[in-house]
Amino acid sequence: AQSVAQPEDQVNVAEGNPLTVKCTYSVSGNPYLFWYVQYPNRGLQFLLKYITGDNLVKGSYGFEAEFNKSQTSFHLKKPSALVSDSALYFCAVTPDNYGQNFVFGPGTRLSVLP
Amino acid sequence: DAGVIQSPRHEVTEMGQEVTLRCKPISGHNSLFWYRQTMMRGLELLIYFNNNVPIDDSGMPEDRFSAKMPNASFSTLKIQPSEPRDSAVYFCASSLSQTQYFGPGTRLLVL
Repeated sequence: AQSVAQPEDQVNVAEGNPLTVKCTYSVSGNPYLFWYVQYPNRGLQFLLKYITGDNLVKGSYGFEAEFNKSQTSFHLKKPSALVSDSALYFCAVTPDNYGQNFVFGPGTRLSVLP
Repeated sequence: DAGVIQSPRHEVTEMGQEVTLRCKPISGHNSLFWYRQTMMRGLELLIYFNNNVPIDDSGMPEDRFSAKMPNASFSTLKIQPSEPRDSAVYFCASSLSQTQYFGPGTRLLVL
């Protein structure tokens, strides 16, 4: 069975500094990996995904994520954080081309301090 | 496209009452998912449909919960009778391939 770990409940970063939100996964077969963001009182919003190809994936709002197969990680990054990036971030994995066996991580709360 | 539409956005009801949550997926999507989010348990998959057929309902907490998808553009999640521990935000999501797109959620409070 697949699983996702987000080792940090909370990440604090100063505005303008680079940010990293960590994610590791376990899945049999080739993984499809996703990052979602949830702003207060809103649904989850798709940020980016890794399916195949280049290990560095670029997504919305200047976010990117790096797939590392040997470390089974898919960390979310942004070179310069904004206060408006403060939100709850979820990593998800599926081994399935049809997105039907999604497993979400517990979420990491990102706070960007002005 | 309007995205995934859920109604109502907020629901307050009393214990024992029936609650029906509604979802309209994105047109053309063939998979639909119901999730529940709470502070204690995070995001939990309750059930998902593919081409209107329930594929996996192992996440449905108990018999008080039921879900239907009578056609490709509509699904319901029903709780009968409701209990205070059902209070949560319920999300519907739809997909065509790998990526799931979420609705805004229904915030349910059972008193």
